[in-house]
Amino acid sequence: NAGVTQTPKFQVLKTGQSMTLQCAQDMNHNSMYWYRQDPGMGLRLIYYSASEGTTDKGEVPNGYNVSRLNKREFSLRLESAAPSQTSVYFCASSDVPARRNTEAFFGQGTRLTVV
Amino acid sequence: KNEVEQSPQNLTAQEGEFITINCSYSVGISALHWLQQHPGGGIVSLFMLSSGKKKHGRLIATINIQEKHSSLHITASHPRDSAVYICAVSRAETSGSRLTFGEGTQLTVNP
Repeated sequence: NAGVTQTPKFQVLKTGQSMTLQCAQDMNHNSMYWYRQDPGMGLRLIYYSASEGTTDKGEVPNGYNVSRLNKREFSLRLESAAPSQTSVYFCASSDVPARRNTEAFFGQGTRLTVV
Repeated sequence: KNEVEQSPQNLTAQEGEFITINCSYSVGISALHWLQQHPGGGIVSLFMLSSGKKKHGRLIATINIQEKHSSLHITASHPRDSAVYICAVSRAETSGSRLTFGEGTQLTVNP
């Protein structure tokens, strides 16, 4: 029972490089999310996908793109990394989006450093 | 002002002590979540509640909707309880688990 799996766990990028963070869940959840966590701040929503085939911007979408490849997978892409994107990134998933009170399941996080 | 405020930001306790972490919020919510994050690790959900009180082992979570306040209590604390505890809310106008988070409380329990 893997839950939510993120890869990679650690990454160092040079400014301007691109990369894709991968996320997969095996709980048959409809909704998936990408958050970033920065010191002194709570987690903030980057993008979310309420269901397969849909994606929407969250609080801090600038500099990111996402793809909901299928029901299991939701990837986050940095096209041209900037030092301000140094952060810990978490993928999460939850059950049917119409049910408001749904528990979220989180991946282990990806620690990204942009130099 | 953050929509979800936690206190204290840092808490150090001795093993066996009773611990309380507080969370206040300023928006309408459909549910409140307590999460735990261990150093270098992922985030796990401890509780989701929309009213009253829930208990799991040594952990108790309460919520007062009228006062927009929740507390997380840990009885007979242990060093393995050392972690960051995060309060988050599901806002009333959104669906699913689009959460708004507090900054977290770093708890250290010394033996």
